[in-house]
Amino acid sequence: EDQVTQSPEALRLQEGESSSLNCSYTVSGLRGLFWYRQDPGKGPEFLFTLYSAGEEKEKERLKATLTKKESFLHITAPKPEDSATYLCAVLGGGGSNYKLTFGKGTLLTVNP
Amino acid sequence: GAVVSQHPSRVICKSGTSVKIECRSLDFQATTMFWYRQFPKQSLMLMATSNEGSKATYEQGVEKDKFLINHASLTLSTLTVTSAHPEDSSFYICSAQAPEGYTFGSGTRLTVV
Repeated sequence: EDQVTQSPEALRLQEGESSSLNCSYTVSGLRGLFWYRQDPGKGPEFLFTLYSAGEEKEKERLKATLTKKESFLHITAPKPEDSATYLCAVLGGGGSNYKLTFGKGTLLTVNP
Repeated sequence: GAVVSQHPSRVICKSGTSVKIECRSLDFQATTMFWYRQFPKQSLMLMATSNEGSKATYEQGVEKDKFLINHASLTLSTLTVTSAHPEDSSFYICSAQAPEGYTFGSGTRLTVV
């Protein structure tokens, strides 16, 4: 069974204080690792897809990296508007269903 | 990018009544859609996979007679919560497999009173 563990559960940063969120996973045949941002009362908003170890993707202040066991979401000089819950999900190779397994998320709060 | 529209965003219903939630892919065709449930401070839990033109595949522990799913066209899937009870109150989110990845609707907050 695919498993995803995100840490920390919650993170408070000052504006401009860079940090990283972790996503550890176990999966039988990784077909993709996804990062989403979720604001309160809203559905997840797609950020990145990573497919193989060593891959990196960037978008504004966010950078996602992937190894064989974990992924990091690096946030550089965050702003208050980056406050949200960040979700990690994996798509495994087992079975024919293309379903994602999600972690519980990291609640990020950026104080001005 | 691909957009999934979910409606309604909020609904309050009386115990014992049924509620229908719609999920539409606006600019692409979705042969597969997914329905999730999310409890406060918890992750998204997959309820069922909806396949166009065929029966939905339900996850273990999800009552198929309570959560009716219909995927009659390539752009519309519906989730009907039948005979709703207060314990069905939750945040329901749909997702579709788009060309560039998995796109999510904005969610429906269901409150059963």
